Amino acid sequence: DAGITQSPRHKVTETGTPVTLRCHQTENHRYMYWYRQDPGHGLRLIHYSYGVKDTDKGEVSDGYSVSRSKTEDFLLTLESATSSQTSVYFCAISESSSPKNIQYFGAGTRLSVL
Amino acid sequence: AQSVSQHNHHVILSEAASLELGCNYSYGGTVNLFWYVQYPGQHLQLLLKYFSGDPLVKGIKGFEAEFIKSKFSFNLRKPSVQWSDTAEYFCAISLNTGGFKTIFGAGTRLFVKA
Repeated sequence: DAGITQSPRHKVTETGTPVTLRCHQTENHRYMYWYRQDPGHGLRLIHYSYGVKDTDKGEVSDGYSVSRSKTEDFLLTLESATSSQTSVYFCAISESSSPKNIQYFGAGTRLSVL
Repeated sequence: AQSVSQHNHHVILSEAASLELGCNYSYGGTVNLFWYVQYPGQHLQLLLKYFSGDPLVKGIKGFEAEFIKSKFSFNLRKPSVQWSDTAEYFCAISLNTGGFKTIFGAGTRLFVKA
């Protein structure tokens, strides 16, 4: 298994509070991604990073921000959590920018916003 | 916009039954095709992939998939399922002209009865 650790694994929070999810990798891969997984939608890309301090938006980026200050860490922040952000969040990594690239996933973080 | 459709959201089979999960994509150009699997409580992992060449590809655990370009399909098959195949299966594509982003289908939950 690829060395990807997500923390926390489970979190319950209240509407309006800030939340930060962490993804840590030991593979030294350049590319990192945050997805959310919802029933009927599969995985949708929130944000991705193509290097330290280099990030860009995915298809469902509203309400989320990210930061990558080190190769190994990619943080996802919900500035003010809403109930619509209740979801399972997956971090993924990939080695290159090739479209043939395989992504490796973390175990996921289950977030509930009450 | 490019998309991936998985026709069955839930499938229930008995052990030893044959499996076929449908996947269709919408994109007129060249695509790279993937099937990922998520076993209960685990992270997503690659089951098989197709880039070019023989349209029938074999993956891990006895799974195979056939790329039919004229039908924009990449259906997943297994001749005889086992209880341990209970999982959620995701079809995904990446585009040779679209950078390294991957587009996922909504997923199919397979439950195999022992």
